Amino acid sequence: DILMTQSPATLSVSPGERATLSCRASQGVSINLAWYQQKPGQAPRLLIYGASTRAAGIPARFSGSGSETEFTLSISSLESEDFAVYYCQHYKKWPYTFGQGTKLEI
Amino acid sequence: QVQLVQSGAEVRTPGSSVKVSCKASGGTFTTDAISWVRQTPGQGPEWMGRIIPNIDLVNYVEMFQGRVTITADKSTSTVYMELSSLRSEDTAVYYCARTFRDVILDYWGQGTLVTVSS
Repeated sequence: DILMTQSPATLSVSPGERATLSCRASQGVSINLAWYQQKPGQAPRLLIYGASTRAAGIPARFSGSGSETEFTLSISSLESEDFAVYYCQHYKKWPYTFGQGTKLEI
Repeated sequence: QVQLVQSGAEVRTPGSSVKVSCKASGGTFTTDAISWVRQTPGQGPEWMGRIIPNIDLVNYVEMFQGRVTITADKSTSTVYMELSSLRSEDTAVYYCARTFRDVILDYWGQGTLVTVSS
């Protein structure tokens, strides 16, 4: 199985600042990568797929980049609602796996 | 708008089984894939399997193979996930999710907490 590793585990950032989250795949996944946001007590929410395509209704301050084994989710000008846990997930080949998450905290 | 509504919380004893339902509306049930993903406290989600109802195709993740069964009732647009031989480590929130292009989880149910305890 492809192992997804996210870093850092926790990222402390102030509102209005930029956050950069990383995700590494144990083998190349091309651009078959998605990012999800999860708030406490809620289901995950799709943010990005195809490594850089925003899902419907996702604000432009969220952007994704990368390919093969190195990926980045950037959130420009953080708003209070952005503080949550973020997961990456590959879909290169079955089984599709998730990273362990990065908690974005104030 | 796609909506997925799951059945309520369950408590089971070790060795027993649980069956969770997921009723879909607003999408194209027969052609949409539906996946089951579980999440234990403080951990990342784990994909368990997916079903494409119109072709009766089901894929399971190997670690759950033999214990999980995913089925669909096209007449009621409902997908079911049954997990057997439950152990305490199966205590988790179980989610169903519409699976865009069969690989991307774009709409999620509200989650069902399954607690396994003696």
